[in-house]
Amino acid sequence: GIQVEQSPPDLILQEGANSTLRCNFSDSVNNLQWFHQNPWGQLINLFYIPSGTKQNGRLSATTVATERYSLLYISSSQTTDSGVYFCAMYSGGGADGLTFGKGTHLIIQP
Amino acid sequence: KAGVTQTPRYLIKTRGQQVTLSCSPISGHRSVSWYQQTPGQGLQFLFEYFSETQRNKGNFPGRFSGRQFSNSRSEMNVSTLELGDSALYLCASSPRQGAFNEQFFGPGTRLTVL
Repeated sequence: GIQVEQSPPDLILQEGANSTLRCNFSDSVNNLQWFHQNPWGQLINLFYIPSGTKQNGRLSATTVATERYSLLYISSSQTTDSGVYFCAMYSGGGADGLTFGKGTHLIIQP
Repeated sequence: KAGVTQTPRYLIKTRGQQVTLSCSPISGHRSVSWYQQTPGQGLQFLFEYFSETQRNKGNFPGRFSGRQFSNSRSEMNVSTLELGDSALYLCASSPRQGAFNEQFFGPGTRLTVL
């Protein structure tokens, strides 16, 4: 099945700092997504980004499918950015649902 | 539009019991998927229901089952609970079968098995 690896596993930053989260995947799938899970467990879709670059406010993501990695950039971090960031993907027909990475636990300190 | 709702939000059970969790999708969404999240295994796909039929299934034992009703609401049942079933159970709805890139997640049900 699909293998998804995320780095770093943990990241502690001061408010205002920038960060880059990485997701490596094993297969040449093209359905990569980024999620944010807040401290209360709510999972929010950030980006559906099978390839290319997208931006939404202070967040942007880039996927290079041919090299099997994706990057999530967070600029000018705020304490509300704290939580766990997951990348996930599914193969073709979705028979195995979404396969998630282990996540990057981000803590933004005031 | 109201989001995905899950009930109950918290649940405590003992080993050997069974439990039923409920998920109401976003209005108009016909697919409901269930996921289990544990500290050790992370987020794992359980199954997907569409038009009252299970369409896809993850690698979980038969103790985990589900169903979907004609109004797209879904229930998940876990029988003969084990300590390892303690987890956050998330459901997600999407407009179509297999549209995992269009899923919206509920707040989850946190199950504790004692």
